[in-house]
Amino acid sequence: AQSVTQLDSQVPVFEEAPVELRCNYSSSVSVYLFWYVQYPNQGLQLLLKYLSGSTLVESINGFEAEFNKSQTSFHLRKPSVHISDTAEYFCAVSSSGGYQKVTFGTGTKLQVIP
Amino acid sequence: EPEVTQTPSHQVTQMGQEVILRCVPISNHLYFYWYRQILGQKVEFLVSFYNNEISEKSEIFDDQFSVERPDGSNFTLKIRSTKLEDSAMYFCASSVSPGQGSRGYTFGSGTRLTVV
Repeated sequence: AQSVTQLDSQVPVFEEAPVELRCNYSSSVSVYLFWYVQYPNQGLQLLLKYLSGSTLVESINGFEAEFNKSQTSFHLRKPSVHISDTAEYFCAVSSSGGYQKVTFGTGTKLQVIP
Repeated sequence: EPEVTQTPSHQVTQMGQEVILRCVPISNHLYFYWYRQILGQKVEFLVSFYNNEISEKSEIFDDQFSVERPDGSNFTLKIRSTKLEDSAMYFCASSVSPGQGSRGYTFGSGTRLTVV
């Protein structure tokens, strides 16, 4: 079994400030890790993922996340946020290899303040 | 960009009534999923479907739930006798390959089910 913990339910941050959304996971096997974003009144969109290889992964809109196996973490960071980044962010995990369902965290609401 | 389409976007139903939530997955996808998100809670896996049968289901997916791919394009979730606690946002997803693979799921925008 696997689980995901997102300790911060809400993170307010001023525009152009840096942000880190924390994610820790628990699994007894190798994992794939994901961040999904949900904009208001919309569905879930894949933001970035770690499958293998480089532990630092990036999205097209400036977010990055680093897989840290020893700390079982996959924190999401952005050096300078925009108003348009206001959304809810979900960390997710699935076991690697073959078919496995996705387990989501409880989500972190990022509120960017002008 | 291909999309997963869900209808309706919002459905209100009385307790005890049957509801059918509809999804049109991306045309070349083979694996289909339903997830739900109770307000303020995490997104939870309900069921996965491949080759016209259920691949995996969670403990939430009891006998009140069923899924079907009736015509090769739609993928439906039926709740036979709705309960108040079924109120949630229901997300459909599809993928080319099992699980996340290299592309991840594509999620629909969800159907908000309100049971009164």
